[in-house]
Amino acid sequence: AQSVTQPDIHITVSEGASLELRCNYSYGATPYLFWYVQSPGQGLQLLLKYFSGDTLVQGIKGFEAEFKRSQSSFNLRKPSVHWSDAAEYFCAVGARRDTGNQFYFGTGTSLTVIP
Amino acid sequence: EPEVTQTPSHQVTQMGQEVILRCVPISNHLYFYWYRQILGQKVEFLVSFYNNEISEKSEIFDDQFSVERPDGSNFTLKIRSTKLEDSAMYFCASKWSQETQYFGPGTRLLVL
Repeated sequence: AQSVTQPDIHITVSEGASLELRCNYSYGATPYLFWYVQSPGQGLQLLLKYFSGDTLVQGIKGFEAEFKRSQSSFNLRKPSVHWSDAAEYFCAVGARRDTGNQFYFGTGTSLTVIP
Repeated sequence: EPEVTQTPSHQVTQMGQEVILRCVPISNHLYFYWYRQILGQKVEFLVSFYNNEISEKSEIFDDQFSVERPDGSNFTLKIRSTKLEDSAMYFCASKWSQETQYFGPGTRLLVL
């Protein structure tokens, strides 16, 4: 069965520190992988996505993620966190087909940034 | 930049009442979705809609739920008789034919 695990419910980092948010997935085939961010009162904004090719993908706001097939992981990273990065982060997987396929989400990781 | 919009942002209702949650997907998109997130839990898929019919639905999407695209721009989710456990954030999403789904800001539904 398809599933996404985000082991860290909540992470606190200092502004300027590096960040890594973990995501592991279980999927029957090679999936499409996504990271979304949700700021308070806002919708889910796409940070980045992986479909194929280079396993290190760059996204908006200085985020990047690396797909590791052997570990079934798609961890999100940022070298230097800004206070405005405080938000909820969701990892999601989707099927490799151009139909009304659903996404499977993790439970999210809440990021707090301290000055 | 085009966005998915949802109304209302918050809705409070009594158990047993009907609610309609509204979404305006991005205008040239063809696939439409509803998800929900119960507080502290995962974002869960409810239903997908394409070519004026449901293409996929989850176990959550029982007979109490229905979706409609009444006028070519709106996409609605109706809950006929709300239960306490329907309290959640409901997200609408849409996509064209590429893989990325674009999400709205959500409607927080509270059933008392």
